[in-house]
Amino acid sequence: NAGVTQTPKFQVLKTGQSMTLQCAQDMNHNSMYWYRQDPGMGLRLIYYSASEGTTDKGEVPNGYNVSRLNKREFSLRLESAAPSQTSVYFCASSDDPGGFGNTEAFFGQGTRLTVV
Amino acid sequence: QKEVEQNSGPLSVPEGAIASLNCTYSDRVSQSFFWYRQYSGKSPELIMSIYSNGDKEDGRFTAQLNKASQYVSLLIRDSQPSDSATYLCASYNQAGTALIFGKGTTLSVSS
Repeated sequence: NAGVTQTPKFQVLKTGQSMTLQCAQDMNHNSMYWYRQDPGMGLRLIYYSASEGTTDKGEVPNGYNVSRLNKREFSLRLESAAPSQTSVYFCASSDDPGGFGNTEAFFGQGTRLTVV
Repeated sequence: QKEVEQNSGPLSVPEGAIASLNCTYSDRVSQSFFWYRQYSGKSPELIMSIYSNGDKEDGRFTAQLNKASQYVSLLIRDSQPSDSATYLCASYNQAGTALIFGKGTTLSVSS
């Protein structure tokens, strides 16, 4: 019972390098999310996708791009990494076809990214 | 005001005491609320959800929602050291498309 799977779990990048964080869910959920978590800041929403083929900006989208490849997969790309993007990144998914905003989200295990 | 706000703490209680965690919210969120627990270095996991005014109990946990005052709280009775974690309050935006979190409150239960 995999749930939400993120890869990689750890990554160190040099400033200016690019990388893609991968996320896949096997629960047939419509909605997927990318968050970053910094000390004392809680979970801040970067981008989300309410359904296959749609993506929207969250609270902190600058420096990131996303792709909803299909219903299962939602990737986050850093085109030119900066030290300010050092953080723990979480992918999550939920299923709320009616848009009532009343279903729980399930989280991946997180990716710890360091940009030096 | 941010959509969902929490006092980041830390909140320290002795073992066996009641821990009270609070969250306030703005008009820009839906009327459904979630409490997640996050242990250090781990992913958030759902503890409770509450959609209606009043109290909802599950074991040692009680969630309380007061829509008139726009706050939601989580009470943990008979607190245990294993309850030491960060507790995150969350709600969806009004469109129901994005789950928004507060900054979280760190709870420390001492034995």
